[in-house]
Amino acid sequence: GENVEQHPSTLSVQEGDSAVIKCTYSDSASNYFPWYKQELGKGPQLIIDIRSNVGEKKDQRIAVTLNKTAKHFSLHITETQPEDSAVYFCAASATGFQKLVFGTGTRLLVSP
Amino acid sequence: EAQVTQNPRYLITVTGKKLTVTCSQNMNHEYMSWYRQDPGLGLRQIYYSMNVEVTDKGDVPEGYKVSRKEKRNFPLILESPSPNQTSLYFCASRAGTATNYGYTFGSGTRLTVV
Repeated sequence: GENVEQHPSTLSVQEGDSAVIKCTYSDSASNYFPWYKQELGKGPQLIIDIRSNVGEKKDQRIAVTLNKTAKHFSLHITETQPEDSAVYFCAASATGFQKLVFGTGTRLLVSP
Repeated sequence: EAQVTQNPRYLITVTGKKLTVTCSQNMNHEYMSWYRQDPGLGLRQIYYSMNVEVTDKGDVPEGYKVSRKEKRNFPLILESPSPNQTSLYFCASRAGTATNYGYTFGSGTRLTVV
């Protein structure tokens, strides 16, 4: 089955810096890659996603890139702000999209 | 407000005492799923449902049951809870459309089995 690895497990940056979180997946049939943000005491919230027919997608300060050949995808956050501090999860899904396999999460801390 | 509602938010129970965690969504979503979240392991899928009366196992289904008798509800049942089921549980739902695959998650249920 699918296996998703996520790095780093923790990431500390200064406000205004960029942050990059990387994930690799094992199943070449996976074709949907969402990113979730989880704030303390809340459920994960979808922040951006990408399908395998697209190499990059951007939404304001957040972007996701996908390299199908290498089977890895990354989340890029520019101009980080303290409210970006949270745990971020990547995930991958194959045909049908109902079965999501998550990475182990990255705790991002943005210091003022 | 569009949301997934789980109850209870917190639950402490004893080993072997049957319990049910309820999940309801008001978005008319076809797909619903249960996940458990454990430190260092991320979120792991327990069961999912593609529609009423259609359910399937996820990656960690042992010790759990689900049912989908109505489209809006997807309860998680622990027939005989054990301490290794102590975890943070999330219910999620999404539409069955071909253009929107993102799951909406509930706020979570923190279960402790002693």
